[in-house]
Amino acid sequence: EPEVTQTPSHQVTQMGQEVILRCVPISNHLYFYWYRQILGQKVEFLVSFYNNEISEKSEIFDDQFSVERPDGSNFTLKIRSTKLEDSAMYFCAIRGRENDEQYFGPGTRLTVT
Amino acid sequence: QQPVQSPQAVILREGEDAVINCSSSKALYSVHWYRQKHGEAPVFLMILLKGGEQKGHDKISASFNEKKQQSSLYLTASQLSYSGTYFCGTLRGGTYKYIFGTGTRLKVLA
Repeated sequence: EPEVTQTPSHQVTQMGQEVILRCVPISNHLYFYWYRQILGQKVEFLVSFYNNEISEKSEIFDDQFSVERPDGSNFTLKIRSTKLEDSAMYFCAIRGRENDEQYFGPGTRLTVT
Repeated sequence: QQPVQSPQAVILREGEDAVINCSSSKALYSVHWYRQKHGEAPVFLMILLKGGEQKGHDKISASFNEKKQQSSLYLTASQLSYSGTYFCGTLRGGTYKYIFGTGTRLKVLA
């Protein structure tokens, strides 16, 4: 099973601040996904990223969000100006090598105060 | 539109069986099942690729009816470790958008 790590595990930030969440796959992958899960609710697709480009994004993924693969291994999600409603778990996932199943990192809990 | 799961929640005693259903209003080409324990990330359980295909994993198995756009997850002789929230998931046809179902909370009591 592919492994993915995420940092930080918990981020507390003030409203209006920028945050960067990081995802590091253990081995080389081309497909990356970011998801958001508000406490107790469904897992929501944010964006998919293939070969260093965004391949699909949801209506949630507005201009305050961006994704990058700055050094060919780390994969980041940036939220430019955080709002209270951005408080959630953010999961990075990679796609299985043969099919579309998702392998998740442990997540980053973002708390916006 | 995300797949709808039923029931929303179920409580079982150890050893009892449960069925979780996942229905989509759009065509399903493959279905994946996940389990998420409280405070953890979802974990992939199994994939159903073909219509009518049934797969098994210990005492957890699943079926996929492509025509009905439905999949079901079967948990037999449930154990305490089965507790968690179960999600079906699928890649929207023709897109790179991955969609999860509404989720089913399962609690197994001793």
